[in-house]
Amino acid sequence: GQQVMQIPQYQHVQEGEDFTTYCNSSTTLSNIQWYKQRPGGHPVFLIQLVKSGEVKKQKRLTFQFGEAKKNSSLHITATQTTDVGTYFCAGATPRGQNFVFGPGTRLSVLP
Amino acid sequence: DAGVIQSPRHEVTEMGQEVTLRCKPISGHDYLFWYRQTMMRGLELLIYFNNNVPIDDSGMPEDRFSAKMPNASFSTLKIQPSEPRDSAVYFCASSPGGSSTDTQYFGPGTRLTVL
Repeated sequence: GQQVMQIPQYQHVQEGEDFTTYCNSSTTLSNIQWYKQRPGGHPVFLIQLVKSGEVKKQKRLTFQFGEAKKNSSLHITATQTTDVGTYFCAGATPRGQNFVFGPGTRLSVLP
Repeated sequence: DAGVIQSPRHEVTEMGQEVTLRCKPISGHDYLFWYRQTMMRGLELLIYFNNNVPIDDSGMPEDRFSAKMPNASFSTLKIQPSEPRDSAVYFCASSPGGSSTDTQYFGPGTRLTVL
């Protein structure tokens, strides 16, 4: 079945440093979504990528969808303590009926 | 809009008891999803509905779990009998429609502890 992996599992950074998490699928995806879950909270939608090679930006966050539509990345520039949380990618295959969530990358930001 | 509403927010019960979790999706959303989140297994899709009809329940762990959606504004997830390994955070999410892979809006979750 479809598998979605994320690396790293955990990341500790000093405030102001950059952070990147990578998402890899065992199969080609039709689209991918990114969610953020604060500690004790619920997943909150960040963005959806659909096109091969697509790049989208939200302030300090940059999202990329790979050319082969099998991987994606989320990059945060100059992290802040408000960026703390777990970042999940969720991928859907062209024939899939629903998204499969990756295991998430837990980000800690030290002030 | 109040967003997706779940109740209760916390539930502590003893093994063997019946547990019912409730969800009210965002008005107008056609899709409703039930997820379970644990440290070991991450976020797992249990079942989802489209227009109140169950579409995919392949994620339901076993017969002890059942879900219903009697109308567009209410769904329940029932565990009977509950076991300690059912302890997890259960999320309900709804999606506006178009497809089951549209943006999902999650509720605050129900933290279930089975002793």
